[in-house]
Amino acid sequence: DTGVSQNPRHKITKRGQNVTFRCDPISEHNRLYWYRQTLGQGPEFLTYFQNEAQLEKSRLLSDRFSAERPKGSFSTLEIQRTEQGDSAMYLCASSSPSGLAVSYEQYFGPGTRLTVT
Amino acid sequence: AQSVTQLDSHVSVSEGTPVLLRCNYSSSYSPSLFWYVQHPNKGLQLLLKYTSAATLVKGINGFEAEFKKSETSFHLTKPSAHMSDAAEYFCVVRPSGYSTLTFGKGTMLLVSP
Repeated sequence: DTGVSQNPRHKITKRGQNVTFRCDPISEHNRLYWYRQTLGQGPEFLTYFQNEAQLEKSRLLSDRFSAERPKGSFSTLEIQRTEQGDSAMYLCASSSPSGLAVSYEQYFGPGTRLTVT
Repeated sequence: AQSVTQLDSHVSVSEGTPVLLRCNYSSSYSPSLFWYVQHPNKGLQLLLKYTSAATLVKGINGFEAEFKKSETSFHLTKPSAHMSDAAEYFCVVRPSGYSTLTFGKGTMLLVSP
């Protein structure tokens, strides 16, 4: 399977702990996105990378959140001092320009479900 | 700014009957529009996309959607529902020149035998 993969699939942590999630995009996709989905809502954009450069961050991404993509391949999303409000599904997606018709179609991974107790 | 309104949080149909999931959008720039489906415990899957070509877009599994600029709508339809269509569906907008997606809140499609 050459789709987007995310690890772990589930994470339970206590409030105040730090957590880190990993996303492996489709090989050679140069863009990588992070989204957060809470219960009953659609995914909300957090941040995205083109290669190793972080090009945009949402206002949702507080100072406790940091994302990296050090070699332009996999990415990590870290949440420091977790709060109960951080409980959500964290989704990763990747995309790549497609010739002259640049659609930036995004392919999503299965997500990491975070529960903060 | 862009936004998406999915007019129904839940839609119930019987197997073999037509499906209509409604979506209205707002975008400052000529948008691309998408429908994604999310089955339980599975990732989001792209059903179809509109990117300023034909206004009637055909997708996978017999779904199609029509872009109506005058009505700012992008409703999803399927002539005959199948049990396997039961899932949550998201209407998504991406303004021209931007990379990020804005999702609606989703419509849960329930299919009864």
